[in-house]
Amino acid sequence: DAGVIQSPRHEVTEMGQEVTLRCKPISGHDYLFWYRQTMMRGLELLIYFNNNVPIDDSGMPEDRFSAKMPNASFSTLKIQPSEPRDSAVYFCASSPPNRGRGDTQYFGPGTRLTVL
Amino acid sequence: AQSVTQLDSQVPVFEEAPVELRCNYSSSVSVYLFWYVQYPNQGLQLLLKYLSGSTLVESINGFEAEFNKSQTSFHLRKPSVHISDTAEYFCAVSTNTGGFKTIFGAGTRLFVKA
Repeated sequence: DAGVIQSPRHEVTEMGQEVTLRCKPISGHDYLFWYRQTMMRGLELLIYFNNNVPIDDSGMPEDRFSAKMPNASFSTLKIQPSEPRDSAVYFCASSPPNRGRGDTQYFGPGTRLTVL
Repeated sequence: AQSVTQLDSQVPVFEEAPVELRCNYSSSVSVYLFWYVQYPNQGLQLLLKYLSGSTLVESINGFEAEFNKSQTSFHLRKPSVHISDTAEYFCAVSTNTGGFKTIFGAGTRLFVKA
């Protein structure tokens, strides 16, 4: 298995531009999570999906952020317009069907976003 | 609501010395506990987890952690560290109630010196 795939690995953009981060979860996993990691705030859960449906988006910082999961093998996190304070590493993670809530999350390699 | 506190932000240690990374959690219900490791420029990966049963859990690379319910702790230990153990370690907790959320601690950076 290729693991969780994220693209791009690095993104440098200018303030005000739209940014789209992409994620392909592990086949068969029905939970998908988006996290943001910064030095100041650590690892923050932004949103998670179950069976392509958003379950909890309370961590999404503001309306500039949106996430979609059109099918079981693809998800996007979009920032429009981007701001310098959005600079961070964004991780996608997936988890197999929940059998007791003790399941491992499998993380992708992350996308390092720099907004100038 | 659950919370996780990692008591040390950085732990420097010499190679072959023992190490303990401390983690305390808060929850009003039964918990599942995890340690994840993040090597430089990589995503997090599971090191070990406690779901039920024996309170001592071990990883394949010599780490172990003990679930202590009375002290609400899940400290990570290794009797002899290697240079390659240099990484950031995250303690995490999830529960069997409510939504499927895992709460991560702030992380402890382990730096192993030669």
